[in-house]
Amino acid sequence: ETGVTQSPTHLIKTRGQQVTLRCSSQSGHNTVSWYQQALGQGPQFIFQYYREEENGRGNFPPRFSGLQFPNYSSELNVNALELDDSALYLCASSLEPSGQETQYFGPGTRLLVL
Amino acid sequence: GEDVEQSLFLSVREGDSSVINCTYTDSSSTYLYWYKQEPGAGLQLLTYIFSNMDMKQDQRLTVLLNKKDKHLSLRIADTQTGDSAIYFCAEDYKGRRALTFGSGTRLQVQP
Repeated sequence: ETGVTQSPTHLIKTRGQQVTLRCSSQSGHNTVSWYQQALGQGPQFIFQYYREEENGRGNFPPRFSGLQFPNYSSELNVNALELDDSALYLCASSLEPSGQETQYFGPGTRLLVL
Repeated sequence: GEDVEQSLFLSVREGDSSVINCTYTDSSSTYLYWYKQEPGAGLQLLTYIFSNMDMKQDQRLTVLLNKKDKHLSLRIADTQTGDSAIYFCAEDYKGRRALTFGSGTRLQVQP
């Protein structure tokens, strides 16, 4: 049991809408990373939050944004949804800087954009 | 930029050993990981290796790292039907925890 939780588990939206996905990090972890996994592909890094600030970003447009709260939970917001945004969205938490090598993933939120 | 490549599919018989291979491009990778994903599920960390190691063994799992060729492999001994899943290798560039994943290898274990 990793302790990373995500909500909702599934979501259906239409093109042009906005969506918010939530992640609660494992107890004691202060860093959350978000990944997008399209069907049949490996996860792709979206961005990372550390101490409530963005700490690195992958190749995703600005309509992908995030927040991290004082309790280290995090939100991923996607505006102006496109069909290609349909994917499994995974968050992962870790403790930084710790020298620990493990990053734990949550079960994911499956988003379908129609 | 970073790139990770894996073969798409591997089929083995129950009880045999499985070897899943991965190549990566970035020599600055700090950690290299193997994750398992079952249908409809998230990612389960199987094992990892630090970039200054050549080999790591963890029960049925053996990871081999060839830094010169930038080649990583995962050997699963005595493969069971429950090992059927997609296996991803991932590199952690300079320890940033922003992982770059391969596209995954689907392991099918036949009884």
